[in-house]
Amino acid sequence: SQTIHQWPATLVQPVGSPLSLECTVEGTSNPNLYWYRQAAGRGLQLLFYSVGIGQISSEVPQNLSASRPQDRQFILSSKKLLLSDSGFYLCAWSLDVAEAFFGQGTRLTVV
Amino acid sequence: GQQLNQSPQSMFIQEGEDVSMNCTSSSIFNTWLWYKQDPGEGPVLLIALYKAGELTSNGRLTAQFGITRKDSFLNISASIPSDVGIYFCAGHTGNQFYFGTGTSLTVIP
Repeated sequence: SQTIHQWPATLVQPVGSPLSLECTVEGTSNPNLYWYRQAAGRGLQLLFYSVGIGQISSEVPQNLSASRPQDRQFILSSKKLLLSDSGFYLCAWSLDVAEAFFGQGTRLTVV
Repeated sequence: GQQLNQSPQSMFIQEGEDVSMNCTSSSIFNTWLWYKQDPGEGPVLLIALYKAGELTSNGRLTAQFGITRKDSFLNISASIPSDVGIYFCAGHTGNQFYFGTGTSLTVIP
């Protein structure tokens, strides 16, 4: 069966520091991968999605970037964090069937 | 991005009551999904709907894909305390999923 791993679970970073969040999927090949951010108040905002290695689509211009160096690995990065980058970051995967499955999330607090 | 309007925003109900929430969009979706999120965790898929007019059940949960493909509803029957959480609708089109703003459900024992 397929599983998705996301880490770290929580992170406290100072303003101006870099960021790297990692997401990996097991048990499937060539998944579509997604990064969402969920700010306080619940809504899920799509940040990036990828349909294959090296293919990244950005939904919202911002201080973040994403990379997909391997088929089942999706990385969210920032060179310099802002206070406004705080939030709950969720990675998700899907296949041809239109169902998305989420990781456990990373709670990022920028101080 | 596309906007999904989900209502109500929050609900406080007595254990055993039925719950109904809905989601509307200005755009057509090929698939509608409903998720539940517990605090500090990722959303978990409850029900997926693939055809306009489709009515699907999963235990005490029932969801329908609207005929116009622009709306969906979720019903929960005989609520129990573990139903507490935030429920999200999502529409899928192309390679993207668009989420509603969520319905926070509180069940009072």
